[in-house]
Amino acid sequence: AQSVTQLDSQVPVFEEAPVELRCNYSSSVSVYLFWYVQYPNQGLQLLLKYLSGSTLVKGINGFEAEFNKSQTSFHLRKPSVHISDTAEYFCAVTQNGGYNKLIFGAGTRLAVHP
Amino acid sequence: NAGVTQTPKFQVLKTGQSMTLQCAQDMNHEYMSWYRQDPGMGLRLIHYSVGAGITDQGEVPNGYNVSRSTTEDFPLRLLSAAPSQTSVYFCASSYSGAGDQPQHFGDGTRLSIL
Repeated sequence: AQSVTQLDSQVPVFEEAPVELRCNYSSSVSVYLFWYVQYPNQGLQLLLKYLSGSTLVKGINGFEAEFNKSQTSFHLRKPSVHISDTAEYFCAVTQNGGYNKLIFGAGTRLAVHP
Repeated sequence: NAGVTQTPKFQVLKTGQSMTLQCAQDMNHEYMSWYRQDPGMGLRLIHYSVGAGITDQGEVPNGYNVSRSTTEDFPLRLLSAAPSQTSVYFCASSYSGAGDQPQHFGDGTRLSIL
């Protein structure tokens, strides 16, 4: 079975500052890794995904994430945040070779202040 | 393309009532799924379908039924609503059931059980 831990439930940050949202996963099999973003009163939108290959993946809105197999981590970063990045961010995994059943972390609420 | 459409957006029920949450997608996706989102718990999979006529249980299926008679529609039925089913429900779809496929989410149904 897989599990996902998002280490921070809330992250406050000032506009134009860098941010890192942390995600660790546990799995006995190979996984695919995803970051989704949820803006208020909306559904989830894919930010980026890691399937294989380069461990640094780039997504939409200037976000990137690095897969670290030895640390079982997939942390999300952005060098300079905007007010519009205020949202909830979810890290998720699916099993490589299995069905598309997402296992989500509890979410991290990013609050960007002016 | 409308993407994934969920109706209704809000609903209040009394304990013991039944209702159906509707989900439709116009992307000809084979795979559809239902999640519930509760504070501090992320999203959890209720049921999923890998194609018309094929459904299976997810992590939290008790109290819910699904069917998939067409590729486009995947309704979720609450048989006898309980306060523990108060939640935000999201329907999602992907091109196939493979775990590397990004999922497209609807905007959610906010359900309160009194």
